[in-house]
Amino acid sequence: GAVVSQHPSWVICKSGTSVKIECRSLDFQATTMFWYRQFPKQSLMLMATSNEGSKATYEQGVEKDKFLINHASLTLSTLTVTSAHPEDSSFYICSAQTGRGDEAFFGQGTRLTVV
Amino acid sequence: AQSVTQPDIHITVSEGASLELRCNYSYGATPYLFWYVQSPGQGLQLLLKYFSGDTLVQGIKGFEAEFKRSQSSFNLRKPSVHWSDAAEYFCAVGAAEYGNKLVFGAGTILRVKS
Repeated sequence: GAVVSQHPSWVICKSGTSVKIECRSLDFQATTMFWYRQFPKQSLMLMATSNEGSKATYEQGVEKDKFLINHASLTLSTLTVTSAHPEDSSFYICSAQTGRGDEAFFGQGTRLTVV
Repeated sequence: AQSVTQPDIHITVSEGASLELRCNYSYGATPYLFWYVQSPGQGLQLLLKYFSGDTLVQGIKGFEAEFKRSQSSFNLRKPSVHWSDAAEYFCAVGAAEYGNKLVFGAGTILRVKS
């Protein structure tokens, strides 16, 4: 299957700093990318939908100014956690798909720890 | 509202025994259905998917799932579990009408005892 690479796989940052997470589709062009957040022992919660060349659509309750999403090309989407706080510590996972109704391929996730 | 229910938080089975993980959904559109597996600290791997057609779907690693529209269910099965199957399993539902966003169940942690 198609490969989605997420980088970094883990990051520790100080409270108040910003962290950028990259999601790349390595062997296909992703018209849509999704960003999920997973708290320990919980399921994945969709944060936002990102379409190439347009603004991301955020789910209710997700602060768009805090979680900046950029989808500048068909193979790259980035999530920037701005002014991170300890409560932002979580496992962030992206997925990418080629079109409507297609399978979504997941990255390996990024473990963010804010200290 | 769309929702996915996995009633079992934990399941423990003996190695070699059969397995069934339950998934029920509530969706206002024709759903696409998926089962994913996640090992600790890892991303998700697709086991199988149902989009249309034959309601019995075969996946990787010997898994299969059956879509039952009348019961709004998509249960995952495996006839003989291996120790390496121990992981967390997520059922997910999407639909083109909802922009193909996936709604995930809470997950079922599978433990395999030898």
